This record gives sequence, C-alpha cells and structure tokens, in this order.
Amino acid sequence: GAVVSQHPSRVICKSGTSVKIECRSLDFQATTMFWYRQFPKQSLMLMATSNEGSKATYEQGVEKDKFLINHASLTLSTLTVTSAHPEDSSFYICSAPGQGFENYGYTFGSGTRLTVV
Amino acid sequence: AQTVTQSQPEMSVQEAETVTLSCTYDTSENNYYLFWYKQPPSRQMILVIRQEAYKQQNATENRFSVNFQKAAKSFSLKISDSQLGDTAMYFCAFMNFNQFYFGTGTSLTVIP
Repeated sequence: GAVVSQHPSRVICKSGTSVKIECRSLDFQATTMFWYRQFPKQSLMLMATSNEGSKATYEQGVEKDKFLINHASLTLSTLTVTSAHPEDSSFYICSAPGQGFENYGYTFGSGTRLTVV
Repeated sequence: AQTVTQSQPEMSVQEAETVTLSCTYDTSENNYYLFWYKQPPSRQMILVIRQEAYKQQNATENRFSVNFQKAAKSFSLKISDSQLGDTAMYFCAFMNFNQFYFGTGTSLTVIP
C-alpha cells in the first residue's frame, strides 16, 4: 500500500535554530501533502497544504515565514521550522492522498516529535 | 465550515466486549467521506474504516463497523470483540474537496 516516510522521528534543537522535516511518498506520487501539528492529547490541526510546483497554502494563524514548506518534487515535501522557540515544540505529521482513493485513502507519515530547548 | 464532534473524551471496555464510539458532524455538503483513524501510543495514524456518503450501506472491516446516519449526520464506530491492541486514541474525520477535518478524539482503553 501507499507509504509516506517521515524523518526525523524525533529531533531536539536549540532555541533560535532551524529544523527541517521531510516527508517522502515511497511508492506513489504525492502532488499534495498536508502538514499537521498535534499537541499532547489533542487533535490534529492542519497547518498548511503543499502542492508540487506551487506555493503552499497556509491555514489562518500559521506564520508562513516561520513554517517554510517546500514541495520540490512529486515525492518530497519538507517543512522547515525557522528560528525555533520552545512554543514550537510539538508533534508534526504529514499526510498525502494515496494513489487511487478507493484503494488507499489518505496515508500519514509516522510523525516528528520536535523539542526546542 | 465543517465541524466534527466527538463527545466522549475517554472510554474503556473489557477485553472481548463491544464498544461504540460516537461522532457527529456538521456540513452543508452532500458528497463527502467519513473516516475513523486510530492513533496508538506510537502516534502513527492508522486508517480503521471509511464510509462514502453516497453509500447507504454501513462499512465493515473485520471487527470494526460503522453506523452511518446521513440525515442525522452521525457516524459511530463499533468495535466488537475488543482486543488489548485496540487501546488507542480514535479520531473521527470528515473529508471533502481534498481536505480533512478531525474530531477531538476519544481515548479508548481495553481492560484485560
């Protein structure tokens, strides 16, 4: 089935540095990738939608200059948290529509736990 | 705007028993999809079951089944013969136009 590989699974960084999270679709082409943020014991909150070859669409309240999204190819989307601060510590998950909805539905990456110290 | 409501923050069930998780949603759309996702402690989101709104027949996947009431905008998940591995957060989700809306989740604990 469709697989989205997300790396790293965990990252600890110092305040003020940038962190890049990658999501790759392994056996299908993902023209769209959704990026979510999840706080402990809460639901997934959509941050932005990336589309291959065009600018990402950000949800209201999400700073596009802080959360840089690049969808460089049909199999790779990246989220860069720039000048990270402790309040950016969270769990980040990507998701992509699979190849043929009837067969795969939507596939999620395994998530990245970001801790900013 | 679409909203998804899960009114049961936490639930528990004895192993081998049956449990039903509730979900309601609000939309003015006629064509959409509904999902239940499971998120175990590993945090990996796993698709449990899905339902197309145009289908009247309730979806079933092994021990998991749904009760889809379109007019009432209700989409409950029934887990039969509960197993310890079913312990997880369960999210109800609504999708149309390629965008998901998630409920707040129900934490299910299966008791040995």
